[in-house]
Amino acid sequence: DVKVTQSSRYLVKRTGEKVFLECVQDMDHENMFWYRQDPGLGLRLIYFSYDVKMKEKGDIPEGYSVSREKKERFSLILESASTNQTSMYLCASSSPGTGGRGAFFGQGTRLTVV
Amino acid sequence: QQQVKQSPQSLIVQKGGISIINCAYENTAFDYFPWYQQFPGKGPALLIAIRPDVSEKKEGRFTISFNKSAKQFSLHIMDSQPGDSATYFCAASYAGGTSYGKLTFGQGTILTVHP
Repeated sequence: DVKVTQSSRYLVKRTGEKVFLECVQDMDHENMFWYRQDPGLGLRLIYFSYDVKMKEKGDIPEGYSVSREKKERFSLILESASTNQTSMYLCASSSPGTGGRGAFFGQGTRLTVV
Repeated sequence: QQQVKQSPQSLIVQKGGISIINCAYENTAFDYFPWYQQFPGKGPALLIAIRPDVSEKKEGRFTISFNKSAKQFSLHIMDSQPGDSATYFCAASYAGGTSYGKLTFGQGTILTVHP
């Protein structure tokens, strides 16, 4: 069974903290993504990576950075957490070789910044 | 800007009824249109998808209708069941290249099916 695993289900952090969200996939997918989900806004792409050490900005990259040192692992970094980054964060992976199966998502990390 | 617009925001249907969710897109370069289903506490899961060379795709009780000229597509859930109660997202992307899986989502529709 394919799996995208996010390291935490729930996180509470203080304003100004540096926050790391980790994601691991076991499907040998080339592409990995970080989205944030907010009510009424759907899912919005923060960053994606199409290869190790390669990354591209999505629609809302401000305040975030990413790291992909290994193919299976993609990290989202909040350099200095702010209350407006309180959200559900979803990691996903995909590959052209999945035959039109689209992207596979993790279970999400609900981050609260206080 | 919102490149994929979804409606309605919420939908209440009786068991056995038909649920219809609509989406419209702007970017004519999109060539892959999936629908995702999300249950509380879970990540979205791919439900059904269509490419623009066909006007309809059916999988069980779920059907996508696609109108390329109008840049619209919709999800129909026939014989809706309480177990279908979830949030549904339409999305659009490019099917190939390094952007594979890079999805632009609609705002989501919360579907409630009453027994």
